[in-house]
Parts: sequence; C-alpha cells; structure tokens
Amino acid sequence: GAVVSQHPSWVICKSGTSVKIECRSLDFQATTMFWYRQFPKQSLMLMATSNEGSKATYEQGVEKDKFLINHASLTLSTLTVTSAHPEDSSFYICSAWQGNQPQHFGDGTRLSIL
Amino acid sequence: TQLLEQSPQFLSIQEGENLTVYCNSSSVFSSLQWYRQEPGEGPVLLVTVVTGGEVKKLKRLTFQFGDARKDSSLHITAAQPGDTGLYLCAGAWDMRFGAGTRLTVKP
Repeated sequence: GAVVSQHPSWVICKSGTSVKIECRSLDFQATTMFWYRQFPKQSLMLMATSNEGSKATYEQGVEKDKFLINHASLTLSTLTVTSAHPEDSSFYICSAWQGNQPQHFGDGTRLSIL
Repeated sequence: TQLLEQSPQFLSIQEGENLTVYCNSSSVFSSLQWYRQEPGEGPVLLVTVVTGGEVKKLKRLTFQFGDARKDSSLHITAAQPGDTGLYLCAGAWDMRFGAGTRLTVKP
C-alpha cells in the first residue's frame, strides 16, 4: 500500500531553534499534503493544506510565519517551525493525498522544545 | 467548515463487551471516513462510507452511515485489548477530524 515517510520521528531542541520536518510520499505522487498538530489526548487539528508549487492554505489561527510550509515537489513537503518555543511542543503529523484516494498518513514527529 | 462531534469522548470497557461510538454533524457529507490511531503513530483508515444508510463490516467492526448522511456509528462486537486506541471520523473531502473517542479495552 501507499507509504508516507515522515522525518524525524522525534526531536528535542532548545527554545529559539527552528526545526524542519519532512513528509515524503514514497510510492505515489501527492497532489496535496496536509499538516496536522495533535496535543496529548486530543484529536488531530488541521494546520494547513499544501499543494505542490503553490502557497499553503493555513487554517484560521495558525501563524503562517511561525509554521513555514514548502511543497516543492509532488513527493515532498516540509514544515518548519521557526523560533520554536515550549508551547510549540506537540505531535505533528502529515498526510498525502492523490485526489480520488484516501489520504495516507505519516507516523508523526514528536517535537519537544526545552 | 463541516464540524463533526464524536461521542463518547472516553470509553473504558472490559474485554468481550460490545460498544458503539458515534459521529454526528449538522452538515451533509458526501462520504465519511473512520480511522483508528494508536499512540505515537499516524491514523490508519478503517473504512469509507459513501451511501446514506450504508452498512459496512470489517470483522468485528460494523460501520453505519445515516440515511441523511449527517451521522455515522461504529459498533464493535466482543471488544479485545487490541481494539484500544483513538477512533476518529472525518469527512472524506474535508480532511478535518472530529474530537475522537478514546477507547480502552481492559483484559
């Protein structure tokens, strides 16, 4: 089946650091990639929708200058958390979508900011 | 934005019991998906329901889509500890999830 690889799976860094998370679709070309954030014991919250070659569409309340999304190819999207602070600590999950197929999820990145 | 409400939020039962969780909305969905997520992993798609009144079975799991396509239910028969997880519903095209039902099945 379709596989989405997310890297890194776990990262710890100091406050003020910028962190980049990669999301790759390994065996298909993703028209669209989605980025979600999940706090402990809560559901996934959609942060942004990313289409290849165009600017991401951010959900209301999500700071686009804080969470930079780049979707340079049909198989790779990146989320950069800029100047991360402890409140940015969370579980970030990406998914990739071909269109008439269900979206396929990565295994998530656990980000801890000290 | 189509909002999805899931209930109950938490459910803890003994192995062998039956349970039903619900996903409701005031909006009509062209199709709806159910996922299960385990800690530290991404959600895994269980089923997509498309037709109003549709019933789909996946082993001990039975999924039903309401006639008006505004609600759905997931029924698990003879729950097992391996069923433990966060159950999420989402509009297939909306890509937004309900709050989820966190199920714990105790051995």
